[in-house]
Amino acid sequence: KNEVEQSPQNLTAQEGEFITINCSYSVGISALHWLQQHPGGGIVSLFMLSSGKKKHGRLIATINIQEKHSSLHITASHPRDSAVYICAVGSNSGYALNFGKGTSLLVTP
Amino acid sequence: KAGVTQTPRYLIKTRGQQVTLSCSPISGHRSVSWYQQTPGQGLQFLFEYFSETQRNKGNFPGRFSGRQFSNSRSEMNVSTLELGDSALYLCASSLATSGSTDTQYFGPGTRLTVL
Repeated sequence: KNEVEQSPQNLTAQEGEFITINCSYSVGISALHWLQQHPGGGIVSLFMLSSGKKKHGRLIATINIQEKHSSLHITASHPRDSAVYICAVGSNSGYALNFGKGTSLLVTP
Repeated sequence: KAGVTQTPRYLIKTRGQQVTLSCSPISGHRSVSWYQQTPGQGLQFLFEYFSETQRNKGNFPGRFSGRQFSNSRSEMNVSTLELGDSALYLCASSLATSGSTDTQYFGPGTRLTVL
């Protein structure tokens, strides 16, 4: 099984700060997903990437395949960014996703 | 386009009972995956279906089963419920032939409580 480690587990930031969440995995993958979950349970897919970098608004996701590491950055953070951010990886050999434990982010005004 | 829908949204059962949860994917999506989310274990993969075929199953006991119909709608069943089955059950659909390498669209989940 592909172990997925996220850090930090919890993060508190002030509005406007630059935020980085990290994800490391142990074996080769087909793709890495960043997900956002707000209180109440709804999950939204933010990014799916297998190489390089993707940007959507204030969110940027990068992946380094050689180092088996990905980062999610939030620029100019806002209280509405408060949520749990989850990293998930798809293995080369199957159709399953393995998930990290999530990073709980609180952005205060 | 309507999103992924799950029914029911909330369910309370007692130990030993069985339960069936339903998921309707986004129109045109043929891959449906099921996940269990608990505070202790986080999100865990249950199974994935594509064109009525189960292509992968997570590390769960045989009490957990599922199926997919020709219209891509999917159901999962848990028999002989245990207290530890209390969780949020999420389904997700995607367009491509491999759920793990395509953007997944999640439903709102079914919150199951086992008493």
